[in-house]
Amino acid sequence: QVQLVQSGDEVKKPGASVKVSCKASGYTFSSYRITWVRQTPGQGLEWMGWISPYYGNINYAQKFQGRVTMTTDTSTSTAYMDLRSLRSDDAAVYYCAREGRYCNVTACFPFYYMDVWGKGTTVTVSS
Amino acid sequence: QTVVTQEASLSVSPGGTVTLTCGLSSGSVSTSYYPSWYQQTPGQPPRTLIYNTNTHSSGVSDRFSGSILGNKAALTITGAQAQDESDYHCVLYMGSGIWVFGGGTKLTVL
Repeated sequence: QVQLVQSGDEVKKPGASVKVSCKASGYTFSSYRITWVRQTPGQGLEWMGWISPYYGNINYAQKFQGRVTMTTDTSTSTAYMDLRSLRSDDAAVYYCAREGRYCNVTACFPFYYMDVWGKGTTVTVSS
Repeated sequence: QTVVTQEASLSVSPGGTVTLTCGLSSGSVSTSYYPSWYQQTPGQPPRTLIYNTNTHSSGVSDRFSGSILGNKAALTITGAQAQDESDYHCVLYMGSGIWVFGGGTKLTVL
């Protein structure tokens, strides 16, 4: 079945970096964009950006520009999200999600929703 | 900066019907925003309910339906059950590859 398995919880000090991984299985990894979403304690969801494993193009939310890097390794079907210069308000659960697709008779296109979610990685930022 | 608005909290009686909305701080939501809806219980990842305004994700009960009501996207739950007590999140596609989530609605069934 289609799955996204995320790396384990992390504890980091302010100013450090964290790299969260998201290993896909059960589908052709390169055919779907991967989106990253975070949820701070007691708050709603926040879109961070997406990456296309096939084309390599990326779009980051303005809030995270300059601090986040999203990458993929198609040889291992794994996506990564690297967040630098951590602050206390970066403490959150970080989710990866697969972006759904729409397919017609000739091609498939991203379809602006998340259809499969990872279970989340909790990042704690504390001195 | 555009803000996506949702009711902070709503309640519904068992068996009743409730409508959650997803609006914009400025302007109207249309199908061009490809609204989608997600259900989340504590400690769990979101679960996809509705996408492209009104398309059910696989396995989702038809008690959940999506629409555009006036100038907002809407999620209607009919025949509410105790298990529907959750947080509900909407997200809108803003164009240029950018998505924005609403703040989420906490639904109580009582």
